[in-house]
Formats: sequence, C-alpha cells, structure tokens
Amino acid sequence: GNSVTQMEGPVTLSEEAFLTINCTYTATGYPSLFWYVQYPGEGLQLLLKATKADDKGSNKGFEATYRKETTSFHLEKGSVQVSDSAVYFCALSPQGGSEKLVFGKGTKLTVNP
Amino acid sequence: DTAVSQTPKYLVTQMGNDKSIKCEQNLGHDTMYWYKQDSKKFLKIMFSYNNKELIINETVPNRFSPKSPDKAHLNLHINSLELGDSAVYFCASSQASGAGTGELFFGEGSRLTVL
Repeated sequence: GNSVTQMEGPVTLSEEAFLTINCTYTATGYPSLFWYVQYPGEGLQLLLKATKADDKGSNKGFEATYRKETTSFHLEKGSVQVSDSAVYFCALSPQGGSEKLVFGKGTKLTVNP
Repeated sequence: DTAVSQTPKYLVTQMGNDKSIKCEQNLGHDTMYWYKQDSKKFLKIMFSYNNKELIINETVPNRFSPKSPDKAHLNLHINSLELGDSAVYFCASSQASGAGTGELFFGEGSRLTVL
C-alpha cells in the first residue's frame, strides 16, 4: 500500500539555523508529493508540492525535490525563523488522481530566538 | 470570510452521548473530507464526499455517520461516544475528486474530549 515515513520529532533549532526534515514514501507508479504545515491552533495548509520526478517545490523559503530514485521528498530551509515553528506533514497523492492523501505522522519544529 | 469553517471548535462531553460537528465550505469545491488527528498528531482520513455522494469510507466504526445535505456542507454525527473518540477532527475540501491536485483546504479543527 501507499505510505509516508517522516523523521521523528520534535526538532528544536535556533533562529537562522538550517532545517532538514526527511520524508520517504512507498507507492506504486508516480504519486504527487506534498508538504503541509500546521501552525499552532490552526488547520493544515499546503506549503509546497511536486507532481513528477525531479520537480522542485518551493514556497516561503522552503524547498523539496521529488527524488524518484530514492523515493524521497526532504524538506529544507536555509535559515529558519521563530515564525516557522509548526508541525510539518509530508503527504502523497497516489497516481491516477485520487484525492485520498496519505499523510506522514508529522514533525514538530520549534525555533528558538 | 473563512473558506472552510467548522463548529464547534471545542466539544467536551460524557461517554455514551451523541454529538455532531458541522462543516461548511464557501470555495465552491465539489469534494469534502473528514480527517481525525490523534494526540500524537497522526492524521487519518475518515470519509470523503463528492457532490453529496460518499466516495471514501475508511475503516471507521458505524457509530460515525457523515451527512452531506449539499456539496457545501458535510456534517459528522457520532453516536455513543467513547473515550477513544477524543481527538481533533478536521474538515477539508478540494476542487474535484480525481483531479489529483492534492491541495486540500482545511478547517481549523474541532477538538472533541470525551470524559
């Protein structure tokens, strides 16, 4: 079946540190891949996405590249801010257009000033 | 204007009671969902409706019954509440089922606590 595995949290960083949150997936064919972010007390919102191999999604200084060969979609940011503190979810949408998103377990990020 | 709105935001109730959570979206989307997020933040789909028709029904106890009076509304009714039902329930919507865009728009969540 389809599944997403994220690095265990929580992750605590100082402001301006480099961030990597690892995500790998298992799926048949060519799924679309996503990162969603959940700020405290809010619902999830789409951060970035990539729909085919070697695509790079980017938004708000965050980037992730769809690596078919390693079945990975790691999230990176060069310099985090306190306002980036949130829970980050990696997700996939199976090939064929199903809207049944499969989420990873989420990684909580805390950025200290 | 809130795109996906859920009510109530907080719900505290006793075991055995019946409760409902309402969801409305003003985005004109065809597809709506209910997700359950447990205490460890794990998010799992429960139901999905496309234009008022059920299209996804995960392994959820039949105490949970979704109802979609029109494509802008998807309500969740829970009978005979149990301690394990305590969670945050998120409503979401997307433009079309099968479009494969993967972009879901979430409500702010309804935190249910069963005592």
